[in-house]
Amino acid sequence: EAGVAQSPRYKIIEKRQSVAFWCNPISGHATLYWYQQILGQGPKLLIQFQNNGVVDDSQLPKDRFSAERLKGVDSTLKIQPAKLEDSAVYLCASREGTGTDTQYFGPGTRLTVL
Amino acid sequence: RKEVEQDPGPFNVPEGATVAFNCTYSNSASQSFFWYRQDCRKEPKLLMSVYSSGNEDGRFTAQLNRASQYISLLIRDSKLSDSATYLCVVSQTGANNLFFGTGTRLTVIP
Repeated sequence: EAGVAQSPRYKIIEKRQSVAFWCNPISGHATLYWYQQILGQGPKLLIQFQNNGVVDDSQLPKDRFSAERLKGVDSTLKIQPAKLEDSAVYLCASREGTGTDTQYFGPGTRLTVL
Repeated sequence: RKEVEQDPGPFNVPEGATVAFNCTYSNSASQSFFWYRQDCRKEPKLLMSVYSSGNEDGRFTAQLNRASQYISLLIRDSKLSDSATYLCVVSQTGANNLFFGTGTRLTVIP
């Protein structure tokens, strides 16, 4: 079974530039998450989608971060403009959406902001 | 106060040793508890769920103490392949909103 796919795997940009990340969840998984993992820390939830609707975006810095999942499958996360402190790994995870089933993580996109 | 607190380590242990990791959580309403494993430059993967009665999976034993809001992971007979970061994870609603600790780094030495 294919896992969660993310691209690009690595991205280097200068501060104030824009960047976008893409995620394709496991087929049939209704719930999709974006996490930010700063070096030396655990992942922190940015936003959660259930199908194409936002369930929780309370931790998303909305002045610069945006995310969408228009057709309830793939999702994109955008940062505009980027700051130095946005350097992190951005992890996408998906979950079938029932009960206590597991979240499966993609390989992540490692962002470096110079 | 952080949702989940862990000793970041690092823990350096010889092969065959027994090692224990602990974490505490702040929200008494937490319902679900997990240990995830994260290899260097890889994504987190579920190692095991943690149940109130305690549970064991081969060399790994997880314990939960709700009264003390404390979770533990015991690894017996450590293998080189156990070297990784172990993340303590807590959720108020099943596997939905997960709160991760900073992780405890383990290195098993030959």
